[in-house]
Amino acid sequence: DIQMTQSPASLSASLGETVSIECLASEGISNSLAWYQQKPGKSPQLLIYGASSLQDGVPSRFSGSGSGTQYSLKISGMQPEDEGVYYCQQGYKYPPTFGGGTKLELK
Amino acid sequence: QVQLKESGPGLVQPSQTLSLTCTVSGFSLTSYSVHWVRQHSGKSLEWMGRMWSDGDTSYNSAFTSRLSISRDTSKSQVFLKMNSLQTEDTGTYYCARNMYTTDYFDYWGQGVMVTVSS
Repeated sequence: DIQMTQSPASLSASLGETVSIECLASEGISNSLAWYQQKPGKSPQLLIYGASSLQDGVPSRFSGSGSGTQYSLKISGMQPEDEGVYYCQQGYKYPPTFGGGTKLELK
Repeated sequence: QVQLKESGPGLVQPSQTLSLTCTVSGFSLTSYSVHWVRQHSGKSLEWMGRMWSDGDTSYNSAFTSRLSISRDTSKSQVFLKMNSLQTEDTGTYYCARNMYTTDYFDYWGQGVMVTVSS
């Protein structure tokens, strides 16, 4: 199975700060990567797919980039509603696998 | 609008079988695949299996032969059955819709918490 490693495991950001979360795949995944946000007690919500395409309804302050084995999610201007846990997921090979998550808090 | 909703028992005894139902609305099971994804408390997500739009199934080998996914298209329902449950199977079980022809999940149910305990 493809292993997905996220960093950092947790971080705190100030209001308006730009935040980056990294995701490293154990092998190349050809941009077949999604990012999800999960708030406490809620189900995950798709933010980014295909490494850089924004899902409908997701604020434009979220963006994704990367290639090969390295990908990142950027939040340009932290907002209170962005608190939660973020997961990356590869859709390149079966089984689909997720990263361990990054907990983002407002400082 | 697209909705998925899981239902099933909250408590299952060890060695018993878990049966969950995912009832969908706003789309057809003959047009979209539906996945089952598990989350241990405070942990990451684990893909379990998929019911394809053509009725075929795919499973995570981590569940070997314990897992079975089926559907009733007339009722817009997808079923998960997993036997030989252990305490490690405690967690929240989600069903999620597959996005187009990709392997991403664009709509999720609210999840059902399952505790395996005697």
